Amino acid sequence: AQSVAQPEDQVNVAEGNPLTVKCTYSVSGNPYLFWYVQYPNRGLQFLLKYITGDNLVKGSYGFEAEFNKSQTSFHLKKPSALVSDSALYFCAVRDIGSASKIIFGSGTRLSIRP
Amino acid sequence: EAGVVQSPRYKIIEKKQPVAFWCNPISGHNTLYWYLQNLGQGPELLIRYENEEAVDDSQLPKDRFSAERLKGVDSTLKIQPAELGDSAVYLCASGPGAGELNEQFFGPGTRLTVL
Repeated sequence: AQSVAQPEDQVNVAEGNPLTVKCTYSVSGNPYLFWYVQYPNRGLQFLLKYITGDNLVKGSYGFEAEFNKSQTSFHLKKPSALVSDSALYFCAVRDIGSASKIIFGSGTRLSIRP
Repeated sequence: EAGVVQSPRYKIIEKKQPVAFWCNPISGHNTLYWYLQNLGQGPELLIRYENEEAVDDSQLPKDRFSAERLKGVDSTLKIQPAELGDSAVYLCASGPGAGELNEQFFGPGTRLTVL
């Protein structure tokens, strides 16, 4: 069975500092991995995805994520945080080798202080 | 380009009453999803359509939940009768192709409160 974990309910970062939102996964085969962001009273928005190829994936709003197969992780990163990055972030995974559905993590609330 | 449209945005009903949610996906998107999102949790898939066919409804509680996408465009999710535990946000999403490799485009959701 596939699963995804976001070990931190909340991450607090000062504006201008680098940020990391952690995600680990478990699949039986190779994974498809996604990050989505949810702003208040709005639907989830796609940030980036890893399907195959380069382990470092670049996405929207200056975010990037690094796929690490040995650590089964797909952490979301940004070199310099903005107050407007404050939102709820969801990691999601799907097992390539099956017809399984995408599984979302429980979310991490990112708070950027001025 | 218009995004995924959902209505109503908020709904408050008493338990045992029926309720229905409507979703209009992005034009041209063949794939449509209904998700349930409880407070503090990620979305959980209820049903996925490819055009008018429900290809994954394994997580849909069929004793009280039903969904339809008759012409392969807009969709309705119904609960009858609603229970207190159904209070949640119901999200609709659409995607441009078959399968789940493509990004999904989410609507703003319908927040259901069952009293």
